[in-house]
Amino acid sequence: KNQVEQSPQSLIILEGKNCTLQCNYTVSPFSNLRWYKQDTGRGPVSLTIMTFSENTKSNGRYTATLDADTKQSSLHITASQLSDSASYICVVSAMMPTGGFKTIFGAGTRLFVKA
Amino acid sequence: EAGVAQSPRYKIIEKRQSVAFWCNPISGHATLYWYQQILGQGPKLLIQFQNNGVVDDSQLPKDRFSAERLKGVDSTLKIQPAKLEDSAVYLCASSLFRNGNPYEQYFGPGTRLTVT
Repeated sequence: KNQVEQSPQSLIILEGKNCTLQCNYTVSPFSNLRWYKQDTGRGPVSLTIMTFSENTKSNGRYTATLDADTKQSSLHITASQLSDSASYICVVSAMMPTGGFKTIFGAGTRLFVKA
Repeated sequence: EAGVAQSPRYKIIEKRQSVAFWCNPISGHATLYWYQQILGQGPKLLIQFQNNGVVDDSQLPKDRFSAERLKGVDSTLKIQPAKLEDSAVYLCASSLFRNGNPYEQYFGPGTRLTVT
Protein backbone atom coordinates (compact mmCIF):
# COMPACT_ATOMS: atom_id res chain seq x y z
CA LYS A 1 0.00 0.00 0.00
CA ASN A 2 1.33 3.46 -0.93
CA GLN A 3 1.86 5.47 2.24
CA VAL A 4 3.73 8.55 3.44
CA GLU A 5 4.53 8.79 7.15
CA GLN A 6 5.87 11.96 8.74
CA SER A 7 7.49 12.54 12.09
CA PRO A 8 7.29 14.15 14.49
CA GLN A 9 3.61 15.07 14.42
CA SER A 10 4.46 18.41 16.00
CA LEU A 11 7.58 20.19 17.13
CA ILE A 12 8.35 23.27 19.22
CA ILE A 13 11.72 24.99 18.87
CA LEU A 14 13.26 28.29 19.87
CA GLU A 15 13.91 30.96 17.30
CA GLY A 16 17.38 30.63 15.80
CA LYS A 17 17.62 26.88 16.37
CA ASN A 18 17.83 24.23 13.66
CA CYS A 19 15.42 21.34 13.22
CA THR A 20 14.92 18.29 11.02
CA LEU A 21 11.63 16.82 9.91
CA GLN A 22 11.35 13.23 8.70
CA CYS A 23 9.37 11.56 5.93
CA ASN A 24 9.25 7.80 5.26
CA TYR A 25 7.37 6.43 2.31
CA THR A 26 6.39 3.11 0.81
CA VAL A 27 5.32 4.56 -2.53
CA SER A 28 6.49 2.76 -5.64
CA PRO A 29 7.42 3.06 -8.34
CA PHE A 30 8.79 6.34 -7.14
CA SER A 31 8.55 9.40 -9.37
CA ASN A 32 9.28 12.46 -7.22
CA LEU A 33 9.12 13.79 -3.68
CA ARG A 34 8.10 17.27 -2.67
CA TRP A 35 8.08 19.25 0.54
CA TYR A 36 5.40 21.88 1.01
CA LYS A 37 4.98 24.57 3.64
CA GLN A 38 1.41 25.39 4.66
CA ASP A 39 0.74 28.47 6.74
CA THR A 40 -2.46 28.51 8.78
CA GLY A 41 -5.42 29.38 6.58
CA ARG A 42 -3.48 29.14 3.34
CA GLY A 43 -2.80 26.58 0.64
CA PRO A 44 0.48 24.64 0.59
CA VAL A 45 3.47 26.26 -1.09
CA SER A 46 6.25 24.19 -2.63
CA LEU A 47 9.68 24.29 -0.99
CA THR A 48 11.60 21.61 -2.89
CA ILE A 49 11.03 18.86 -5.43
CA MET A 50 13.39 15.92 -5.94
CA THR A 51 13.47 13.12 -8.47
CA PHE A 52 15.06 9.70 -8.08
CA SER A 53 18.55 10.84 -9.03
CA GLU A 54 18.68 13.80 -6.64
CA ASN A 55 19.69 13.30 -3.02
CA THR A 56 19.78 16.88 -1.78
CA LYS A 57 18.19 20.18 -2.70
CA SER A 58 18.24 23.54 -0.98
CA ASN A 59 15.89 26.49 -0.97
CA GLY A 60 17.32 29.23 1.23
CA ARG A 61 17.33 27.98 4.83
CA TYR A 62 15.49 24.81 3.81
CA THR A 63 17.49 21.73 2.74
CA ALA A 64 15.80 18.51 1.71
CA THR A 65 17.53 15.15 1.43
CA LEU A 66 16.36 11.99 -0.25
CA ASP A 67 17.55 8.41 0.18
CA ALA A 68 15.69 6.44 -2.47
CA ASP A 69 17.17 3.16 -1.25
CA THR A 70 15.76 3.46 2.27
CA LYS A 71 12.76 5.50 1.05
CA GLN A 72 13.42 8.30 3.49
CA SER A 73 13.53 12.06 3.16
CA SER A 74 14.28 14.82 5.59
CA LEU A 75 13.74 18.56 5.63
CA HIS A 76 16.31 20.54 7.58
CA ILE A 77 15.53 24.10 8.61
CA THR A 78 18.50 26.24 9.58
CA ALA A 79 18.39 29.25 11.91
CA SER A 80 14.63 29.08 12.35
CA GLN A 81 12.51 32.21 12.27
CA LEU A 82 9.09 32.92 13.73
CA SER A 83 7.69 32.88 10.19
CA ASP A 84 8.73 29.24 9.85
CA SER A 85 5.82 28.31 12.12
CA ALA A 86 3.63 26.25 9.80
CA SER A 87 2.78 22.72 8.74
CA TYR A 88 5.33 20.96 6.55
CA ILE A 89 3.89 18.33 4.25
CA CYS A 90 5.81 15.59 2.45
CA VAL A 91 4.27 14.53 -0.86
CA VAL A 92 5.34 11.54 -2.96
CA SER A 93 4.26 10.77 -6.51
CA ALA A 94 4.18 7.28 -7.98
CA MET A 95 3.86 6.12 -11.54
CA MET A 96 0.75 3.99 -12.06
CA PRO A 97 0.60 0.87 -14.27
CA THR A 98 -1.94 2.68 -16.43
CA GLY A 99 0.68 5.32 -17.23
CA GLY A 100 -0.77 8.00 -15.00
CA PHE A 101 0.51 9.31 -11.69
CA LYS A 102 -0.76 9.04 -8.14
CA THR A 103 0.19 11.61 -5.49
CA ILE A 104 0.20 10.67 -1.81
CA PHE A 105 0.28 13.34 0.90
CA GLY A 106 1.68 12.90 4.37
CA ALA A 107 -0.27 14.23 7.35
CA GLY A 108 2.34 16.92 7.93
CA THR A 109 4.52 18.06 10.81
CA ARG A 110 3.27 21.09 12.70
CA LEU A 111 6.24 23.33 13.60
CA PHE A 112 6.01 26.05 16.24
CA VAL A 113 8.90 28.50 16.50
CA LYS A 114 8.95 30.44 19.77
CA ALA A 115 10.73 33.69 20.50
CA GLU B 1 1.81 35.30 -12.90
CA ALA B 2 -1.59 35.09 -11.23
CA GLY B 3 -2.05 32.20 -8.84
CA VAL B 4 -4.88 29.74 -8.41
CA ALA B 5 -8.07 31.56 -7.47
CA GLN B 6 -10.83 30.06 -5.34
CA SER B 7 -14.16 31.33 -4.09
CA PRO B 8 -15.74 31.68 -1.70
CA ARG B 9 -13.05 31.72 0.97
CA TYR B 10 -15.47 30.76 3.72
CA LYS B 11 -18.88 29.10 3.74
CA ILE B 12 -21.18 28.08 6.55
CA ILE B 13 -24.19 25.90 5.75
CA GLU B 14 -26.56 23.60 7.58
CA LYS B 15 -26.46 19.86 7.04
CA ARG B 16 -28.48 18.62 4.08
CA GLN B 17 -27.98 21.93 2.26
CA SER B 18 -26.04 22.23 -0.99
CA VAL B 19 -22.84 24.17 -1.64
CA ALA B 20 -20.60 24.87 -4.62
CA PHE B 21 -16.99 25.94 -4.82
CA TRP B 22 -15.27 27.57 -7.77
CA CYS B 23 -11.65 27.35 -8.93
CA ASN B 24 -9.75 29.20 -11.62
CA PRO B 25 -6.35 27.56 -12.26
CA ILE B 26 -3.15 29.19 -13.45
CA SER B 27 -3.39 29.99 -17.15
CA GLY B 28 -2.05 27.17 -19.30
CA HIS B 29 -2.15 24.52 -16.57
CA ALA B 30 -3.75 21.42 -18.02
CA THR B 31 -4.11 19.50 -14.76
CA LEU B 32 -6.51 20.56 -12.02
CA TYR B 33 -7.01 18.93 -8.62
CA TRP B 34 -9.57 19.22 -5.85
CA TYR B 35 -8.46 18.21 -2.34
CA GLN B 36 -10.26 17.91 0.97
CA GLN B 37 -8.18 18.81 4.01
CA ILE B 38 -9.64 18.01 7.41
CA LEU B 39 -8.14 19.91 10.33
CA GLY B 40 -4.82 18.39 11.40
CA GLN B 41 -4.51 16.14 8.36
CA GLY B 42 -2.82 16.33 4.98
CA PRO B 43 -4.86 17.04 1.86
CA LYS B 44 -6.81 14.12 0.38
CA LEU B 45 -7.31 14.05 -3.37
CA LEU B 46 -10.97 14.10 -4.37
CA ILE B 47 -10.66 14.43 -8.13
CA GLN B 48 -8.02 15.14 -10.78
CA PHE B 49 -8.76 16.56 -14.22
CA GLN B 50 -6.50 16.51 -17.25
CA ASN B 51 -7.94 19.29 -19.43
CA ASN B 52 -11.68 18.57 -19.11
CA GLY B 53 -11.35 14.81 -18.64
CA VAL B 54 -11.34 13.01 -15.27
CA VAL B 55 -8.07 11.20 -14.51
CA ASP B 56 -8.75 10.05 -10.95
CA ASP B 57 -11.94 10.32 -8.91
CA SER B 58 -11.49 7.16 -6.86
CA GLN B 59 -11.82 8.98 -3.52
CA LEU B 60 -14.72 11.23 -4.49
CA PRO B 61 -17.93 10.35 -2.58
CA LYS B 62 -20.00 10.28 -5.72
CA ASP B 63 -23.32 9.95 -3.93
CA ARG B 64 -22.99 13.54 -2.73
CA PHE B 65 -19.98 15.14 -4.42
CA SER B 66 -19.71 16.15 -8.05
CA ALA B 67 -17.19 18.17 -10.02
CA GLU B 68 -16.88 19.45 -13.51
CA ARG B 69 -14.32 21.31 -15.58
CA LEU B 70 -16.02 22.70 -18.60
CA LYS B 71 -13.80 23.87 -21.45
CA GLY B 72 -10.74 22.63 -19.56
CA VAL B 73 -10.28 25.81 -17.55
CA ASP B 74 -12.44 26.72 -14.52
CA SER B 75 -13.85 24.03 -12.30
CA THR B 76 -16.66 23.72 -9.78
CA LEU B 77 -17.02 21.25 -6.92
CA LYS B 78 -20.49 20.65 -5.51
CA ILE B 79 -21.71 18.92 -2.38
CA GLN B 80 -25.37 17.92 -2.22
CA PRO B 81 -26.52 17.23 0.45
CA ALA B 82 -23.80 18.23 2.91
CA LYS B 83 -23.02 16.23 6.06
CA LEU B 84 -21.34 17.36 9.26
CA GLU B 85 -18.20 15.37 8.34
CA ASP B 86 -17.79 17.46 5.18
CA SER B 87 -16.52 20.33 7.32
CA ALA B 88 -13.01 20.89 5.97
CA VAL B 89 -10.90 23.12 3.76
CA TYR B 90 -11.33 22.41 0.07
CA LEU B 91 -8.16 23.13 -1.86
CA CYS B 92 -7.82 23.52 -5.59
CA ALA B 93 -4.45 23.06 -7.27
CA SER B 94 -3.17 23.13 -10.83
CA SER B 95 -0.05 21.98 -12.61
CA LEU B 96 1.60 21.76 -15.98
CA PHE B 97 2.08 18.41 -17.63
CA ARG B 98 5.69 17.97 -18.76
CA ASN B 99 6.84 14.86 -20.57
CA GLY B 100 3.92 12.91 -19.21
CA ASN B 101 4.68 13.90 -15.61
CA PRO B 102 2.28 16.17 -13.67
CA TYR B 103 4.93 18.41 -12.18
CA GLU B 104 4.79 21.15 -9.58
CA GLN B 105 1.34 21.72 -8.09
CA TYR B 106 0.28 25.25 -7.24
CA PHE B 107 -2.43 25.57 -4.61
CA GLY B 108 -5.16 28.11 -4.14
CA PRO B 109 -5.98 29.58 -0.71
CA GLY B 110 -8.79 27.10 -0.16
CA THR B 111 -12.43 27.37 0.86
CA ARG B 112 -13.17 26.67 4.51
CA LEU B 113 -16.53 24.90 4.78
CA THR B 114 -18.36 24.58 8.08
CA VAL B 115 -21.43 22.36 8.18
CA THR B 116 -23.64 22.88 11.22
